[in-house]
Amino acid sequence: GDSVTQMEGPVTLSEEAFLTINCTYTATGYPSLFWYVQYPGEGLQLLLKATKADDKGSNKGFEATYRKETTSFHLEKGSVQVSDSAVYFCALGGSAGGFKTIFGAGTRLFVKA
Amino acid sequence: DADVTQTPRNRITKTGKRIMLECSQTKGHDRMYWYRQDPGLGLRLIYYSFDVKDINKGEISDGYSVSRQAQAKFSLSLESAIPNQTALYFCATSTGTGSADTQYFGPGTRLTVL
Repeated sequence: GDSVTQMEGPVTLSEEAFLTINCTYTATGYPSLFWYVQYPGEGLQLLLKATKADDKGSNKGFEATYRKETTSFHLEKGSVQVSDSAVYFCALGGSAGGFKTIFGAGTRLFVKA
Repeated sequence: DADVTQTPRNRITKTGKRIMLECSQTKGHDRMYWYRQDPGLGLRLIYYSFDVKDINKGEISDGYSVSRQAQAKFSLSLESAIPNQTALYFCATSTGTGSADTQYFGPGTRLTVL
């Protein structure tokens, strides 16, 4: 079945460091790919998405490119801030024409001042 | 005001008790979902509803039931709570526009079953 695998956390970085959180997927058809972020005490919210191969999603300095050849959607940010501390979830949706969203296990990011 | 609200935000209950978690939304979306979040497991789908008359089981529906009282309201019930139902529960909505369907989440209910 469809699945999403993302790197285990926690990831601890100093402020202004470069961030990469790896995400790979297994799916049939042509899913859309998402990154959601969960700040402490809150629900998940969409960070960015890409709907087809080679698309790049971007928001708030975060970027991810839909790579069909490597089945990956890695999240990157050039310079993290303390306020980026959160849990990040990679997800896929619409595989094989279905409606369900499949979430990865989440990666917790801590950014130190 | 928040678009998706959940009540209560925190609940402690005892094994065997019946408990209801409520979700309301002002986004006007037809699709609503209940998820459970456990550490290291991500989010797992419990039930989903595409409209008031359409309710479906997700991957982990055993021990849970739902009610869609109106387009804006979707409640999750635990008929007889057990300790392994201790988790963070999220309600979500979506527009139903296909594979790029963004989900909008409530703030969550932290449930502890003693």
